[in-house]
Amino acid sequence: EIVMTQSPATLSVSPGERATLSCRASQSVSRNLAWYQQKPGQAPRLLIYGASTRATGIPARFSGSGSGTEFTLTISSLQSEDFAVYYCQQYKNWPPVTFGQGTKLEIK
Amino acid sequence: QITLKESGPTLVKPTQTLTLTCTFSGFSLSTGGVGVGWARQPPGKALEWLALIYWDDDKRYSPSLKARLTITKDTSKNQVVLTMTNMDPVDTATFFCAQFFGGYYPFWGQGTLVTLSS
Repeated sequence: EIVMTQSPATLSVSPGERATLSCRASQSVSRNLAWYQQKPGQAPRLLIYGASTRATGIPARFSGSGSGTEFTLTISSLQSEDFAVYYCQQYKNWPPVTFGQGTKLEIK
Repeated sequence: QITLKESGPTLVKPTQTLTLTCTFSGFSLSTGGVGVGWARQPPGKALEWLALIYWDDDKRYSPSLKARLTITKDTSKNQVVLTMTNMDPVDTATFFCAQFFGGYYPFWGQGTLVTLSS
């Protein structure tokens, strides 16, 4: 099973600033990586797939990069609605599909 | 417009079997490459993938839970059913169903909280 490790667990950033979230895979997943945003009481929302392709309707301030074992989600200028928990998910080797433990992005 | 909605009991007793139904619209489970999967999320914790059923009835399960899970589909009703046997208090979680395509999950249901209590 591929283990996904996200860092940091909590990230405090001020609105308007840039946020950088990391995700590391225990073995290469090529570019088979997705990012999701989850707000309290809501379902996850797909942001990025294929490591860097934005899903339909996702603002351009969200960008993904990386390949192999190291991945980054960058939010270029934080808006109030971006404060949430973010999960990465690999789909290279499955079952099982595996998610990271999440990064909580909070207002500084 | 693609929507999914989970339904089932909100309270389950230990050792009982949980049966959840995912009713979806806006896509067909007879379309090649499409699937519907289930994941769960204990309160305050991360997502855990459970199972997936493909358009061709191929099924995949989490290895750690495979013995307890069964996933089936009724294409004519646009429904996918997940059963989990021998429920335990640690299984308390919000259960989500989601459309699967290409390895990831573009659309999700709102989730249903299932609580274990005797």
